[in-house]
Amino acid sequence: DSGVTQTPKHLITATGQRVTLRCSPRSGDLSVYWYQQSLDQGLQFLIHYYNGEERAKGNILERFSAQQFPDLHSELNLSSLELGDSALYFCASSPGRGSAYNSPLHFGNGTRLTVT
Amino acid sequence: AQKVTQAQTEISVVEKEDVTLDCVYETRDTTYYLFWYKQPPSGELVFLIRRNSFDEQNEISGRYSWNFQKSTSSFNFTITASQVVDSAVYFCALSEASATSGTYKYIFGTGTRLKVLA
Repeated sequence: DSGVTQTPKHLITATGQRVTLRCSPRSGDLSVYWYQQSLDQGLQFLIHYYNGEERAKGNILERFSAQQFPDLHSELNLSSLELGDSALYFCASSPGRGSAYNSPLHFGNGTRLTVT
Repeated sequence: AQKVTQAQTEISVVEKEDVTLDCVYETRDTTYYLFWYKQPPSGELVFLIRRNSFDEQNEISGRYSWNFQKSTSSFNFTITASQVVDSAVYFCALSEASATSGTYKYIFGTGTRLKVLA
């Protein structure tokens, strides 16, 4: 168990809809990263938050947004969904700065989104 | 630019064969960390190992071993006497400090799918 919790595990929705994916990082971790993994593809970095602030953006569509709350949980919002958004969405956490430089990312089990 | 290359898209071996998964990275930093992750068919990503840029000692953990060579910017992963349960996608990753964000960037390779046949 990585200590990172993602909900829901599975999500099936229709095109044009909006969904919210939730992530609770490991206790003590300040950084949250979101990744998208489409079928048989690698991990595409979407966005990184540290202690409530956005720190880096990757290949995140304008229809997608995220935030990290004061309790450090994070949500990824996907709107105007298209068939191509069907993927496994992972959240990962790490301590962030300082001596935790060498910390690996610990991943949640992912949310599998299916857009029909 | 920082980059991680896993040139082997898919490898198939017969059980008990040894197999090496290649990882080549690019970075301008002198301080960085390298990682391997396993993604079994169930989908979760499991952390396997980390190595810092100052430690070139090879590491062995059971049937797994890692060979880090700074001279060739490679961090290869070998599974000895492979088993069916080793079938998974394996990702190599690089982390380094980000000058712009003040935290750490993690760059993943595209993964190598390993199929171990009984």
